[in-house]
Amino acid sequence: GNSVTQMEGPVTLSEEAFLTINCTYTATGYPSLFWYVQYPGEGLQLLLKATKADDKGSNKGFEATYRKETTSFHLEKGSVQVSDSAVYFCALNQAGTALIFGKGTTLSVSS
Amino acid sequence: EAQVTQNPRYLITVTGKKLTVTCSQNMNHEYMSWYRQDPGLGLRQIYYSMNVEVTDKGDVPEGYKVSRKEKRNFPLILESPSPNQTSLYFCASSLWGQGVNEQYFGPGTRLTVT
Repeated sequence: GNSVTQMEGPVTLSEEAFLTINCTYTATGYPSLFWYVQYPGEGLQLLLKATKADDKGSNKGFEATYRKETTSFHLEKGSVQVSDSAVYFCALNQAGTALIFGKGTTLSVSS
Repeated sequence: EAQVTQNPRYLITVTGKKLTVTCSQNMNHEYMSWYRQDPGLGLRQIYYSMNVEVTDKGDVPEGYKVSRKEKRNFPLILESPSPNQTSLYFCASSLWGQGVNEQYFGPGTRLTVT
């Protein structure tokens, strides 16, 4: 069946450092891929998405590229801020099926 | 404002005392779902509904019930809560069917069963 694997956290960075959170997936066909973010005390919200191979999703300085050859959708940001501290979830979805989440990666950014 | 609301946000109860967590969305979404979030386990789907009167089990349905009598509401019912149901619960909704359907999440309900 479909699945999503994320790098385990926590990830601890200093402000302005470069961020990568790895995500790989297993799926039949061509899923859509997502990154959701959960700030402390809040629900999940969509950060970015990509619907086909080689698409790049971007939002708030974060980017992720849908790589079908490596079945990956790694999240990157060039310069993190303290306000980026949150839990990040990679997820996949195929039309007519439920969203499947990775286990989440906690990011902690210090000033 | 488009949103998913959950009530209550926090609940402490005792083993065996029936409880209901409400979920409501104002976006006319067909699909609604309940998740629980536990440390180290991520989000696990409890139940979902693809439309009124259509519900199905997710990955961890034991000990839970749901109903979908109206499109906007999807309550989660714990008939006899146990301590292993202590968790953070999220309701979500989306359109259903073709295309990419972003899920919108409620703010969460933190449940403690003693």
